[in-house]
Amino acid sequence: AQSVTQLGSHVSVSEGALVLLRCNYSSSVPPYLFWYVQYPNQGLQLLLKYTSAATLVKGINGFEAEFKKSETSFHLTKPSAHMSDAAEYFCAVLNYGGSQGNLIFGKGTKLSVKP
Amino acid sequence: ETGVTQSPTHLIKTRGQQVTLRCSSQSGHNTVSWYQQALGQGPQFIFQYYREEENGRGNFPPRFSGLQFPNYSSELNVNALELDDSALYLCASSRTSGGYTDTQYFGPGTRLTVL
Repeated sequence: AQSVTQLGSHVSVSEGALVLLRCNYSSSVPPYLFWYVQYPNQGLQLLLKYTSAATLVKGINGFEAEFKKSETSFHLTKPSAHMSDAAEYFCAVLNYGGSQGNLIFGKGTKLSVKP
Repeated sequence: ETGVTQSPTHLIKTRGQQVTLRCSSQSGHNTVSWYQQALGQGPQFIFQYYREEENGRGNFPPRFSGLQFPNYSSELNVNALELDDSALYLCASSRTSGGYTDTQYFGPGTRLTVL
């Protein structure tokens, strides 16, 4: 069975500071991993995905994530936070052992950006 | 190219009633997945539809049912509503080909409140 764990339900950074959101996965098969962002009262927007190609994945809005098999991690980073980055971020793993593939999400990390 | 759309945006029902939520998939996509997101939680997989048939189900009771139409749009029906059914319901569309489901793209969601 696959799962993801997001460390820290709430992260606060200053504008211009490094953003680091942590995600660890558990999977018995090579994982497909995703980061989604959710702005208040909206659906989920795909930030980036890892599908066993390059271990460093670049996404939208300056975000990137690095797949580290030895650490079972897929942390999300952005060098310089912007006020518009304030949102909730979800890490997810694709469960392709059951149906054609459904996503298993972490509980989310709410990012606050201080001016 | 239109994205995933959902209707209605908001809905208020009373306990015991029935509700139908609708989703139009993104152009070129043939698979629809439904998720329930309770307040402060990550989305939970309800079920997935492919070729007009249920193609995987999460841990939800039978009173949650669905349909997929020839144009790949989908409905989620919930009977005998309970207070705990209050949540944001998210629809995601994707393309399945050769047994593999590609990235899921989410709609804006329907906020259901059960009183």
